[in-house]
Amino acid sequence: LAKTTQPISMDSYEGQEVNITCSHNNIATNDYITWYQQFPSQGPRFIIQGYKTKVTNEVASLFIPADRKSSTLSLPRVSLSDTAVYYCLVGAPRNFGNEKLTFGTGTRLTIIP
Amino acid sequence: GAVVSQHPSWVICKSGTSVKIECRSLDFQATTMFWYRQFPKQSLMLMATSNEGSKATYEQGVEKDKFLINHASLTLSTLTVTSAHPEDSSFYICSALGTGYTDTQYFGPGTRLTVL
Repeated sequence: LAKTTQPISMDSYEGQEVNITCSHNNIATNDYITWYQQFPSQGPRFIIQGYKTKVTNEVASLFIPADRKSSTLSLPRVSLSDTAVYYCLVGAPRNFGNEKLTFGTGTRLTIIP
Repeated sequence: GAVVSQHPSWVICKSGTSVKIECRSLDFQATTMFWYRQFPKQSLMLMATSNEGSKATYEQGVEKDKFLINHASLTLSTLTVTSAHPEDSSFYICSALGTGYTDTQYFGPGTRLTVL
């Protein structure tokens, strides 16, 4: 399983764009990159998933360079409600028999008013 | 879509008793579910992988006789903590592997277990 490394914590002001970068140097060819958000005493919530280049949905964008050894989650114009722990995970789809996910430390994002 | 529920959301029990936690995929079928445990201020730790109709696969260090997992249908997996002790107090979270989606794990809201 590919190991991930993220900053332990980040602070940002409301209204700013926040970029959280994750390193996954030993990512395998079949691995996807998935980001989750977790609030205290709740289960993680799926944010976005990608394989390469750029993926965008209604809440975030995910940038993946060509070598796929890192990825960046971008949250546009954050608000106080975005204060949470963000996890970057790498794993392969079920068809490749490696659908387990290993959670790293995550990044504790604090939004300042 | 892709909603996973857990029941109960919290439970308090006496030491030595057994507690069952249910995990349901509400709007999709899940042949594979996962059980995690999370201590305060820590990350999620995978306990076991639950496959419908077969025995669960436990991670190293997780006692299979203490944490009984049953995945009897495509929408339900249960985790029973047998002879619970205070050190088993934790936040237990399940996830279900989506079908027809991009193989994403969808997580339940978690169950807070407190053993007195």
